[in-house]
Amino acid sequence: AQKITQTQPGMFVQEKEAVTLDCTYDTSDPSYGLFWYKQPSSGEMIFLIYQGSYDQQNATEGRYSLNFQKARKSANLVISASQLGDSAMYFCAMREGPMRGNNRLAFGKGNQVVVIP
Amino acid sequence: DGGITQSPKYLFRKEGQNVTLSCEQNLNHDAMYWYRQDPGQGLRLIYYSQIVNDFQKGDIAEGYSVSREKKESFPLTVTSAQKNPTAFYLCASSRDRTVDNEQFFGPGTRLTVL
Repeated sequence: AQKITQTQPGMFVQEKEAVTLDCTYDTSDPSYGLFWYKQPSSGEMIFLIYQGSYDQQNATEGRYSLNFQKARKSANLVISASQLGDSAMYFCAMREGPMRGNNRLAFGKGNQVVVIP
Repeated sequence: DGGITQSPKYLFRKEGQNVTLSCEQNLNHDAMYWYRQDPGQGLRLIYYSQIVNDFQKGDIAEGYSVSREKKESFPLTVTSAQKNPTAFYLCASSRDRTVDNEQFFGPGTRLTVL
């Protein structure tokens, strides 16, 4: 079964507007971590933001914020004030189970974002 | 500068040949990983290593082999047993296996089988 689901088609967003990328996850473990990565056309994966399952507040990192809805198993990424350099693929990933001795990540299939001027 | 290097950037292989992809990190990270990415897909874990001289299979280990003789290095060999090896290969590392840390990625190697 797929652990991370990202089903949005490619998205076009106007420069300076906000965009929300959907991510739902599937786990029965109470301990897990959620990550978002950006992959520009160069191919390198760039870490954006992290949310732990026990964190009480939604994570924020500059223009990135994570809308964490635990009961719905949802971890949407919000990018505010989009810039042309935000055009990329965005991947949601999850680490599940106890952290000690386990830091494998399962990745979703990604969301394509194109920012237009 | 600290980081992860992968070489070569592009690699062409004839069918039936083994080929080794290099991954080196100078971040002093304990854990290292190899992922495969096919077009339009997410990353799939091939192998990972949490300490030197130890490694575990990921979700798609068949046809691949690894070694971890040094903390800094985690080479991946794509063997002739891998039926469809053409893909983009990404190496990553993370700081500590006992806490949640983001994985840092190298620039990737694009392997094409001719």
